[in-house]
Order: sequence, then structure tokens, then C-alpha cells
Amino acid sequence: GENVEQHPSTLSVQEGDSAVIKCTYSDSASNYFPWYKQELGKRPQLIIDIRSNVGEKKDQRIAVTLNKTAKHFSLHITETQPEDSAVYFCAAGLNTGFQKLVFGTGTRLLVSP
Amino acid sequence: DAGVIQSPRHEVTEMGQEVTLRCKPISGHDYLFWYRQTMMRGLELLIYFNNNVPIDDSGMPEDRFSAKMPNASFSTLKIQPSEPRDSAVYFCASSLAGGEQFFGPGTRLTVL
Repeated sequence: GENVEQHPSTLSVQEGDSAVIKCTYSDSASNYFPWYKQELGKRPQLIIDIRSNVGEKKDQRIAVTLNKTAKHFSLHITETQPEDSAVYFCAAGLNTGFQKLVFGTGTRLLVSP
Repeated sequence: DAGVIQSPRHEVTEMGQEVTLRCKPISGHDYLFWYRQTMMRGLELLIYFNNNVPIDDSGMPEDRFSAKMPNASFSTLKIQPSEPRDSAVYFCASSLAGGEQFFGPGTRLTVL
């Protein structure tokens, strides 16, 4: 089955810096890669996703890149703000109508003012 | 829409007791997922339903766990008997036709 590895487990940056979180997956059939943000004590919420027919996707300060050959994808956050502090999860799955997702172990991002 | 609703939000029980967690998906969504979140294992998919039918329960840890979806607006996850290692946050999520999964607020379960 699918296995997703995520690095780093914790990431501390200064406000305004960029943050990059990386994930690798094992199943070459996976074609859907969402990223979720989970604030302390809250539910995971989708922030951006990418499908295998796209190499990069941007939404304001966040972007995701995908390298299908190497089976890795990354989340990039620019101009970080304290409210970006949260745990970020990557996931991989088959988007064939049911999205059985396998999640990474999460990255705790701390943005210091 | 109120989003995915879960109850209770917190549950504290003693080892050996039966625990029932409840979920109301977003109206109109046809997929429902149950996840468990722990520090050690992260977010794990336990089971998911499509149109009230269980599709994949390979993530259910053992026979003590069971899930049902009697109708499109209600699902339960039951643990009987509960054990301390079941302590976790249990999330329910729903989606429409394999689109974005919307998570509920979760149920924090503590088994003493």
C-alpha cells in the first residue's frame, strides 16, 4: 500500500521567512496530493491540493510542487506570518472518486514574530 | 451548512466500557470517512462509506471496532470493549463525489 513520509517534523522560522515542507510517497499510482493545516485543538482543513497532471499550483502565499518521477511533493509558504503556525499534513491518494488518503506524520510549523 | 457534526466532543470512559461516537456528514455528501489521530501514528483512515455502504474497513484495528451508516445523515463508530490504547482523537469527514474531504471537530476519547 501507499506510504507517505514527511519532513521535517518541526520547523521554526522568523516572520517573513519562507517555509518548505517535503513529502515523498511510494505508490506511483497515486495522483492526488492534498495539504491540510491543523491548528491546535482544531480539525484538519484543506489548504491546497495538486493533481498529477500539474507540476505546480499557487494560491497567494502558498504553493505546492509535484515531481512524479521522483515521487515527491512540497509545500512552500512565503512571507510567513504568526497565524501560519500550525501542524501541516501532506497526503497522497487515488482521486478516482473516493480519495482514499494516506497522510504524512505532520510538520509542526512555528512562526516567531 | 453547519459542516460535519460529531458528538460527543469529549468522552472519558473506563477500560472495558462500550463507547459510541457519532457523526453527521454534510448534507448531500456521498462519502464518509472515520479517522483516528494519535501522536504516535498520526492520522489513520479507519473505514469509509460510499452511499451508506462500507467500502474499505482495512484500517479498523481489530474486531473491537465497528462502524455503521444506517442512513445518509448519520454514522457511528463503536468500540467494545474499550482499552486505554484506544485513547485518541477520532475524526469524521465527508466529501462529495471524491472531492475535498471536510473534517468534523473530532471526538477526544480517553480510556482510563
